[in-house]
Amino acid sequence: QMQLVQSGPEVKKPGTSVKVSCKASGFTFTTSAIQWVRQARGQRLEWMGWILVGSGNTSYAQKFHERVTITRDMSTSTAYMELNSLRSEDTAMYYCAARWEDSNGNDCDYWGQGTLVTVSS
Amino acid sequence: SYDLTQPPSVSVSPGQTARITCSGDALPKKYAYWYQQKSGQAPVLVIYADTKRPSGIPERFSGSSSGTMATLTISGAQVEDEADYYCYSVDSSGNHWVFGGGTKLTVL
Repeated sequence: QMQLVQSGPEVKKPGTSVKVSCKASGFTFTTSAIQWVRQARGQRLEWMGWILVGSGNTSYAQKFHERVTITRDMSTSTAYMELNSLRSEDTAMYYCAARWEDSNGNDCDYWGQGTLVTVSS
Repeated sequence: SYDLTQPPSVSVSPGQTARITCSGDALPKKYAYWYQQKSGQAPVLVIYADTKRPSGIPERFSGSSSGTMATLTISGAQVEDEADYYCYSVDSSGNHWVFGGGTKLTVL
């Protein structure tokens, strides 16, 4: 059974950092790509970046390039997203999502439950 | 930065065909993906690589792409299809992905 379990809600002060985890099970983590997407209340989905788990290669949205770092720990099948220099506009639900190809060459896509990050003084 | 443009809303009656468009300059060479997001839930992929349907997605969902426009078609839309729909694709460099602004589908 596929699962992506994200860490719990966070409340942070402006200027600090947050690190959200995403633990995978039920699929081959090492051959997947993990992307991070955020969504402020009532707003559109916003792509932040992804990591190719096997190689560790990353790509980030230009908007977040200076502030976000995506990593993975293959020993625990866990991906991480760290966002620095938090501001109130970063208050949002943060999702991880896995993408891989099954044995028939079909794309598979599965999302975590989301982690609410609130930035408030 | 790269943009994908969607209409803010589409409304149909149950049983009618709903079409949601997505325009982007790189779409002639890059695949479009479509996500469905119901209120309070995580998105679900309904179409990938322009036209392919993931396992478990009803056959009434289909996708097409021509030139700079991709289209999600829901044939015989049902009340349970009410949701926000987002197109998703990559820029011409192949490195930076982006979501469209989302389209609210109303079926009533």
